[in-house]
Amino acid sequence: NAGVTQTPKFRVLKTGQSMTLLCAQDMNHEYMYWYRQDPGMGLRLIHYSVGEGTTAKGEVPDGYNVSRLKKQNFLLGLESAAPSQTSVYFCASLQGGTLYNEQFFGPGTRLTVL
Amino acid sequence: AQKVTQAQTEISVVEKEDVTLDCVYETRDTTYYLFWYKQPPSGELVFLIRRNSFDEQNEISGRYSWNFQKSTSSFNFTITASQVVDSAVYFCALRDNYGQNFVFGPGTRLSVLP
Repeated sequence: NAGVTQTPKFRVLKTGQSMTLLCAQDMNHEYMYWYRQDPGMGLRLIHYSVGEGTTAKGEVPDGYNVSRLKKQNFLLGLESAAPSQTSVYFCASLQGGTLYNEQFFGPGTRLTVL
Repeated sequence: AQKVTQAQTEISVVEKEDVTLDCVYETRDTTYYLFWYKQPPSGELVFLIRRNSFDEQNEISGRYSWNFQKSTSSFNFTITASQVVDSAVYFCALRDNYGQNFVFGPGTRLSVLP
């Protein structure tokens, strides 16, 4: 099992450009999450999904959109990138059915917006 | 609102010293779940432990131990006889009773010097 994978690992964008980050999991997990990590601020939740076809906003959703057309994939889109979106982005997945499970994280995507 | 505080931004110790990382949480839920994750310099997030609000037993795993005290809303993490490989950022996280959201603390950067 690959676990949680993220594509790409690194990306540099210019202000105003768009891009999509792909998260894939092969554990058949119900829940998926996108976080951003900035120095001194821990992980902040951008959007999450509790199942295929459903998404919800997290703590810092502005400037991002998501889609979960397939259970195993969770896409994070930046329509018009801004320097404030320079960050490390982590995807996580979580098995449903019990509240006692831990999240499994991907390796992260380092995004720089110039 | 839920909140996790890790007041220690950075800690430096010399190898073989014991070190305790503090985590204080806020929640109105009577049922909740607490987690610790480790983020080594390579950047991935590694799950260490979980605890639910009904289980106040302390836990020991090798050199690691955790002290959960509901009376003070704390879930502290102690590393005994620290090693250089323990150098990492450590995150405490809180999960609500609905299971959808995790709230992370800002993290504590631990440096273990040889």
